[in-house]
Amino acid sequence: RKEVEQDPGPFNVPEGATVAFNCTYSNSASQSFFWYRQDCRKEPKLLMSVYSSGNEDGRFTAQLNRASQYISLLIRDSKLSDSATYLCVVNSEGSNFGNEKLTFGTGTRLTIIP
Amino acid sequence: DADVTQTPRNRITKTGKRIMLECSQTKGHDRMYWYRQDPGLGLRLIYYSFDVKDINKGEISDGYSVSRQAQAKFSLSLESAIPNQTALYFCATSDYVGGSYNEQFFGPGTRLTVL
Repeated sequence: RKEVEQDPGPFNVPEGATVAFNCTYSNSASQSFFWYRQDCRKEPKLLMSVYSSGNEDGRFTAQLNRASQYISLLIRDSKLSDSATYLCVVNSEGSNFGNEKLTFGTGTRLTIIP
Repeated sequence: DADVTQTPRNRITKTGKRIMLECSQTKGHDRMYWYRQDPGLGLRLIYYSFDVKDINKGEISDGYSVSRQAQAKFSLSLESAIPNQTALYFCATSDYVGGSYNEQFFGPGTRLTVL
């Protein structure tokens, strides 16, 4: 089983729609979770961290379910500029200081259709 | 100017050649990383360095070596390139923020093709 698994997509979604992605992780000791965004042929960039209580940043909402070991990303009122690949990222070395090791999922490709 | 730069941006080489990819950063971060990205496999860690005197292997270090020449510079070498090392290579840096080194800042990538 992969440490971090995502549906590769592609998700083709009309502009203005709401879209959600899930990601599962295998290491129950993982403590930190993130969503990165990667545009075509560009470098990944941090979109948002994922906290246990869930967190929101504008149109984006991230949630964590530790019992089921998955995290989710919800995008509301999608824009053309949201078209990208979204990478689920997990700190797989636990919470010990200095042992951060990020494991990246393969990404979910999203295309927003005008 | 970009905070994390990589040179070259594109390189085509032949099997058996020695190749060096260079990474420089102006962020002042202690930690630097080298990843490769392949379609369907995501980003995989090759080597990482926590400071100038510290080098660690990642999950796919075979066939690669690194040098941390200074806090700002971290280079990746392929001693004898082979076709399955064809990939997109990213350098990244991180710093201690909010109790962790979790956020990583990536360079623009080097697209390497080994014929």
